[in-house]
Amino acid sequence: KAGVTQTPRYLIKTRGQQVTLSCSPISGHRSVSWYQQTPGQGLQFLFEYFSETQRNKGNFPGRFSGRQFSNSRSEMNVSTLELGDSALYLCASSGWTGAETQYFGPGTRLLVL
Amino acid sequence: DAKTTQPTSMDCAEGRAANLPCNHSTISGNEYVYWYRQIHSQGPQYIIHGLKNNETNEMASLIITEDRKSSTLILPHATLRDTAVYYCIVRLSMNSGYSTLTFGKGTMLLVSP
Repeated sequence: KAGVTQTPRYLIKTRGQQVTLSCSPISGHRSVSWYQQTPGQGLQFLFEYFSETQRNKGNFPGRFSGRQFSNSRSEMNVSTLELGDSALYLCASSGWTGAETQYFGPGTRLLVL
Repeated sequence: DAKTTQPTSMDCAEGRAANLPCNHSTISGNEYVYWYRQIHSQGPQYIIHGLKNNETNEMASLIITEDRKSSTLILPHATLRDTAVYYCIVRLSMNSGYSTLTFGKGTMLLVSP
């Protein structure tokens, strides 16, 4: 089975712009979770989508949003980018109920200038 | 989710067993112990998980104490490629419908020749 894929792998944006990141889960997985990793804050949970609905949300501002499509693929969007949004954005998928083991993708490295 | 305590860093000689401890003294009966590792700038890789009994797979063994307040991840023959940050995570049971992983700072394992 193919693993979790994320596109793009690297991205450079400037302050004020917006960005959309994509995640394709493992085939058959219905839950997709997004995490942000920075040197200062470590790995932090952003939100989880299950069957096209946001099921859990972390403590991030409304500039961070996401959605999930009927094929379980997910996108996350960050609007009005700030320098502090520079991070590794990780996507993880888990199985039929969403409570199974999470498997992570390689991440998207975002640099905001 | 219960908090976990891990040493900041550990060293191991190549070919020797690496024993990574984790304390989770506030774990409750329906919480699993999960281990992930992250090689620099890559997505976290699932290693193993368990509830009460010791577990073994092709990557590692997980030893959970009888009172479940601590556990040890064992890499039986560490290689240079096992150099990574290892995260011990306590997570609600699979029947809870709860999927979020809460990452701490983990243990930086350095395997030397």
